[in-house]
Parts: sequence; C-alpha cells; structure tokens
Amino acid sequence: EAQVTQNPRYLITVTGKKLTVTCSQNMNHEYMSWYRQDPGLGLRQIYYSMNVEVTDKGDVPEGYKVSRKEKRNFPLILESPSPNQTSLYFCASSPGLAGETQYFGPGTRLLVL
Amino acid sequence: AQSVSQHNHHVILSEAASLELGCNYSYGGTVNLFWYVQYPGQHLQLLLKYFSGDPLVKGIKGFEAEFIKSKFSFNLRKPSVQWSDTAEYFCAVGISGTYKYIFGTGTRLKVLA
Repeated sequence: EAQVTQNPRYLITVTGKKLTVTCSQNMNHEYMSWYRQDPGLGLRQIYYSMNVEVTDKGDVPEGYKVSRKEKRNFPLILESPSPNQTSLYFCASSPGLAGETQYFGPGTRLLVL
Repeated sequence: AQSVSQHNHHVILSEAASLELGCNYSYGGTVNLFWYVQYPGQHLQLLLKYFSGDPLVKGIKGFEAEFIKSKFSFNLRKPSVQWSDTAEYFCAVGISGTYKYIFGTGTRLKVLA
C-alpha cells in the first residue's frame, strides 16, 4: 500500500531534550516536506527536500533540522525543543514540483513541557 | 509575499444545506490549486485539484471548486452536505515551476444531523 509513515505518533518530552521524528514513504517520491499545524494558523511549511541531499527552508524553519540521506526517509530533528514547538507535525511527499498532489502522513502530536 | 486566505474559519450547517467555502490567494503567476480535507483524527487527503483547462473541477464525495483567475479565487462548493462531511478543509496553492506550497488557515465545518 502506498503510504507515508511517521513515528512516533505521540510524544511528550521536556525542554532541551533532543528528539527525532521519522518519516518514510514507499512511493519513490522525489519531494518530501514537513509541516506543523497549529490552531488558527493552518499548515506551515518547516523544511522541504527536492531530492537526496537537497533540502531547503520553508516558512518556519527555526529550531528544526532535517536530512535526506535516502530517498524514502526525511527525519525531522529538534535539537533543543522548546514549548513553542508543541504542535501537530505532518510529513508529506509528492512526485515532484508544486503542481503535484501531496500525500500526507498520519501526523505526530508533540508536547514539549 | 504569497498567501492563501480562507475567510470562513468555522462553519456550522444542517444536513442537506449547501456549502461554499471561500479561498483567495495572492500571487500573480501561474499556480496549481488544491483543496485538502482532514476528517477528525485522520491525516489530510486530497479532495480536488486544478492545474489547467476547465476552471470548474469536480472532486470526491460530490465536491466541486471553481477557479476564477480574475478574482484569484478557488471556492469549494457542495450542493447538499452530509453529517460525514464534518471535517477541516484546507485550500492550498502550489507555485508552478517551484517546490513551494502555501496552505490556508483552514475552515472547520460542522454538519448537524
């Protein structure tokens, strides 16, 4: 089944404790992206990747890192999480440019205490 | 800066009522337009999309949207909503020739049985 998977689905952590949210897709998509969803703000793009080893900042990249060492994986790293990073995070993938449909993962709900 | 506006943040309708959700974007170039839906507890999925051609596009579950280029709008419509349409709806714009997506802030629709 074609899908985007994220792990973990729920995470509670404390300020400053490094964490990684994994994202994997099995559709051989070139493009992958991370979004955060906050009430009243919709989805805001954090980082995206056009291909292996090629990444770029979205609208809200501060406090986040990403890497794309393999085509199927695009982990999101929070080196030193802060409470303002409490949010619902979605990973998405698509075949290529921004004319393509994005396929979203199930989301990761993060609470930073 | 490019942006997408969804003017209705919360909409409550009774079953069988007609629905129209507004979406306007600010970008002067060529765009691809999307409506995504997020049912409670689920991830985002594509409802419909417009790339070119007929400005009236039909999607799943009886939804349709009309692209009016002169108004920079892509409003979503459904003649008769059902309780199962209760969800959050996101309008999104893909900037043609780029990897840039911009999402609106979303509209929460509640349909009363």
